Amino acid sequence: RKEVEQDPGPFNVPEGATVAFNCTYSNSASQSFFWYRQDCRKEPKLLMSVYSSGNEDGRFTAQLNRASQYISLLIRDSKLSDSATYLCVADTGRRALTFGSGTRLQVQP
Amino acid sequence: ETGVTQSPTHLIKTRGQQVTLRCSSQSGHNTVSWYQQALGQGPQFIFQYYREEENGRGNFPPRFSGLQFPNYSSELNVNALELDDSALYLCASSLRPEEQYFGPGTRLTVT
Repeated sequence: RKEVEQDPGPFNVPEGATVAFNCTYSNSASQSFFWYRQDCRKEPKLLMSVYSSGNEDGRFTAQLNRASQYISLLIRDSKLSDSATYLCVADTGRRALTFGSGTRLQVQP
Repeated sequence: ETGVTQSPTHLIKTRGQQVTLRCSSQSGHNTVSWYQQALGQGPQFIFQYYREEENGRGNFPPRFSGLQFPNYSSELNVNALELDDSALYLCASSLRPEEQYFGPGTRLTVT
């Protein structure tokens, strides 16, 4: 079983739609959580950190449920430029990030 | 951009050969981590260097080795290349755990 599991998608949504990605992690020692975005053939880039209280950055909302070991990312009002692979990431505190396989999002005009 | 650079950008090697990949970290970042990303997968942690010492290792065999230099730049060496080593190799530099900055990667093809 992978330490971080994600639905690989692809998610094909029209512009303006709201889309949600889910992720589960198995290592209860994980301390920090992140969502990274990776464009095709590019390096991953930090999208946002995820906190138990939930956090929002513009159209993006991330949520963490430690009891269920579950992380989510909500994207509202999808733009064409949101098309990318979204990687769910857990960190056990050793700065060694554990990545999920990624969820591919394709926003269509 | 992140300020993390990697060289070369692309490399083709033959099975059994050895390869060295290089990474220059962002100025002031004393920690460098290396990741392997196979096609369609997320990056997998290889190892991490902190102030020239290995500071953690993932599930990779000993033929994957590394170095960090006093200026915090780093090398990843892979001996006895196998076909499955074909992947994008990413390095990430950091000063704080929550901020890892990735370089553009080296795409290695083993034939």
